Amino acid sequence: QKEVEQNSGPLSVPEGAIASLNCTYSDRGSQSFFWYRQYSGKSPELIMSIYSNGDKEDGRFTAQLNKASQYVSLLIRDSQPSDSATYLCAVNGMNTGFQKLVFGTGTRLLVSP
Amino acid sequence: DTGVSQNPRHKITKRGQNVTFRCDPISEHNRLYWYRQTLGQGPEFLTYFQNEAQLEKSRLLSDRFSAERPKGSFSTLEIQRTEQGDSAMYLCASSHWTGWNTEAFFGQGTRLTVV
Repeated sequence: QKEVEQNSGPLSVPEGAIASLNCTYSDRGSQSFFWYRQYSGKSPELIMSIYSNGDKEDGRFTAQLNKASQYVSLLIRDSQPSDSATYLCAVNGMNTGFQKLVFGTGTRLLVSP
Repeated sequence: DTGVSQNPRHKITKRGQNVTFRCDPISEHNRLYWYRQTLGQGPEFLTYFQNEAQLEKSRLLSDRFSAERPKGSFSTLEIQRTEQGDSAMYLCASSHWTGWNTEAFFGQGTRLTVV
């Protein structure tokens, strides 16, 4: 089992819709969770961090964390074509002594005009 | 610009040659990480520094790879005797580590092509 799992996609949504990106992790002791956006050929850009169960909202982005289910998600409201990118989930877990991030393979999001 | 800076942005080298990359982290950050990313994969951890001390190296990192952060500021990653399998994007990230929060910010990356 991979430490951090994401569906590779692509996830296709029309402009204006809500995009829902999901991530599961295996290390039950994980404490902090991050979403990065990566445009093709570019480096990852941090867009959200979440540490407690529940929802965290920042503009059009909402991160949701459920530690009991070992599940973290990212919702993008009013999706725009400029949101088309790969979204990477990263976890800081007990297995690594909370010392570094472990990444999933990313979900490719395509937002069509 | 106060973000993480990496140089060069692109490097093409012949197999067997040595290459060195540089990373300048965000100035107040005490942690510096090196990751490697290949097409279709997430970033893969290579090594990290706390100030000038290298605290961990990935088991995947062969002896051909070495990293330094001599004064706790910039870092270099050297690959000796490059192989075609070394072709990847090499990413540097930095963070202000407070004990458990690892909110890390990446540089633009160095894309290495070994021919």
